[in-house]
Amino acid sequence: NAGVTQTPKFQVLKTGQSMTLQCAQDMNHNSMYWYRQDPGMGLRLIYYSASEGTTDKGEVPNGYNVSRLNKREFSLRLESAAPSQTSVYFCASSRTGDYTEAFFGQGTRLTVV
Amino acid sequence: GENVEQHPSTLSVQEGDSAVIKCTYSDSASNYFPWYKQELGKRPQLIIDIRSNVGEKKDQRIAVTLNKTAKHFSLHITETQPEDSAVYFCAAHRSGYSSASKIIFGSGTRLSIRP
Repeated sequence: NAGVTQTPKFQVLKTGQSMTLQCAQDMNHNSMYWYRQDPGMGLRLIYYSASEGTTDKGEVPNGYNVSRLNKREFSLRLESAAPSQTSVYFCASSRTGDYTEAFFGQGTRLTVV
Repeated sequence: GENVEQHPSTLSVQEGDSAVIKCTYSDSASNYFPWYKQELGKRPQLIIDIRSNVGEKKDQRIAVTLNKTAKHFSLHITETQPEDSAVYFCAAHRSGYSSASKIIFGSGTRLSIRP
């Protein structure tokens, strides 16, 4: 039982490059989330998904796209990376319809140069 | 939109003293308020939570209080120890519904325990 797994753990991109961050959970959770963490800014919600095939914008969705491929997987795509997207990205999942915690992946440290 | 404000951003206390972190939320429909601890280089993990129908909850040295009228909730850590040094996040959430909703986090408090 791995929980929430993110890949890669580290990535350096050049401005304008694209990439996809992968996230998978094995806890049979319906809800999944993508956050970015910047110094002094806390965890800001980029996108979230209630179930397979549904996604909704969070606080800072601009410059990102997401795909909820199936119940387990929720990917985050940067189409044209910018230095402002340098951050640590966390994927999380939780049960829907219950007062339960969100479980986080180990994070992806992304640097855009 | 929904917003969660957290204060202070940094807090330094003497080992053995108490620490208090405060949050306010804007969405009156929020009914679940978890607190997460993030140690250096690690992922956030839940340490305590409270539902809107409860005013206070305690778990050993940590406690959380909620004032629904004022939309305030606070984390209290007593008898602080070196291992309490970390970043703490509050969050507000509409939980218990049939569909997912946003989990909005505060900006975090970096707690340092002085020996």
